[in-house]
Amino acid sequence: KNQVEQSPQSLIILEGKNCTLQCNYTVSPFSNLRWYKQDTGRGPVSLTIMTFSENTKSNGRYTATLDADTKQSSLHITASQLSDSASYICVVNNNNDMRFGAGTRLTVKP
Amino acid sequence: SQTIHQWPATLVQPVGSPLSLECTVEGTSNPNLYWYRQAAGRGLQLLFYSVGIGQISSEVPQNLSASRPQDRQFILSSKKLLLSDSGFYLCAWEGMGEEETQYFGPGTRLLVL
Repeated sequence: KNQVEQSPQSLIILEGKNCTLQCNYTVSPFSNLRWYKQDTGRGPVSLTIMTFSENTKSNGRYTATLDADTKQSSLHITASQLSDSASYICVVNNNNDMRFGAGTRLTVKP
Repeated sequence: SQTIHQWPATLVQPVGSPLSLECTVEGTSNPNLYWYRQAAGRGLQLLFYSVGIGQISSEVPQNLSASRPQDRQFILSSKKLLLSDSGFYLCAWEGMGEEETQYFGPGTRLLVL
């Protein structure tokens, strides 16, 4: 079983709508959690990084939350744009190594 | 500013042929370097990481190897490619500071036929 589970696997929304992507993890101990955006055929790009003491962090229209007690994180995208179509990857770091989720494939349609 | 390069961008190779993918980083010194493979529709799988010249750690047994001949150069190789080696290969470097984060290269798409 993967130590980082993301849901949903894929998501289709209309332009302008909001959406929330989920990441549940069992990685322990915990150092930080990162969300990446990966456009098709490109390398991932970091969106946010949160440590144990942070429970929310924003980067423009992207807002990540972290509940270290329940080991859950979410990425909320506000007022989606066509350019938000991509895979979103959750990565949990336990100081020794990084565990990657399989990603959520988001498609934003006009 | 720091940049990371990978080449080639795409590669089609026959089964049994050798492989050499190169990754170079500019604008930083002594970075941690990583090689990942991403199969279609799957998550990223860490293959190798390096904390310095000549220092390579492998995460999974495979027919691939890695080398770091220079501080900012990371090479992924194989003597004989398998069909299962097809995938998207990503190199990344890690910056150390208040917020550790990995910066990924543009990737190399490898198709083994």
